[in-house]
Amino acid sequence: EAQVTQNPRYLITVTGKKLTVTCSQNMNHEYMSWYRQDPGLGLRQIYYSMNVEVTDKGDVPEGYKVSRKEKRNFPLILESPSPNQTSLYFCASRKQGGHTEAFFGQGTRLTVV
Amino acid sequence: AQSVTQPDIHITVSEGASLELRCNYSYGATPYLFWYVQSPGQGLQLLLKYFSGDTLVQGIKGFEAEFKRSQSSFNLRKPSVHWSDAAEYFCAVESTSGTYKYIFGTGTRLKVLA
Repeated sequence: EAQVTQNPRYLITVTGKKLTVTCSQNMNHEYMSWYRQDPGLGLRQIYYSMNVEVTDKGDVPEGYKVSRKEKRNFPLILESPSPNQTSLYFCASRKQGGHTEAFFGQGTRLTVV
Repeated sequence: AQSVTQPDIHITVSEGASLELRCNYSYGATPYLFWYVQSPGQGLQLLLKYFSGDTLVQGIKGFEAEFKRSQSSFNLRKPSVHWSDAAEYFCAVESTSGTYKYIFGTGTRLKVLA
């Protein structure tokens, strides 16, 4: 079954404690991205990757890092989380080249206290 | 900059009633448009997409959407709503900036009354 898998689904952490949210896809997609969803703001792109070792900033990259060492994995790293990063996070993957459907993970609800 | 507007934050309809969710986009050329649904505790699922051709697009779960260039709209419709349709709906346009990202609207939360 084609899917994008995120872990964990829920996470409560304290300010400043580094964390990683993992994302893995089994569709051999080149393009992967991270979004955050906040009430009244919809989904906004954090980072994206067009292929292995190729990553770039999206619209709201501050406070986040990513890496793309393998095609299937695209982890999101928060080096020093702050309360304003409390949000619902989605990983997505799609074929390269545009005009293609994005497949989304089930989301990670992060709370930073 | 490209943008997507969903003017209705919340919509409430009775089960069996018809539904129309509004979406307006800003972009001069032919946009690539999507509707996604997010059920409680779930990820986003694609309902339908428009790239070109027939302006009336059929999707899953009985949904359809009509692309109207003159109104810069891509409204989602369903003739008869089921209680299971209660969810949040997002309209999105693919960016033409070369990043291939989606630009999302702020979403419309649908409540269905029994």
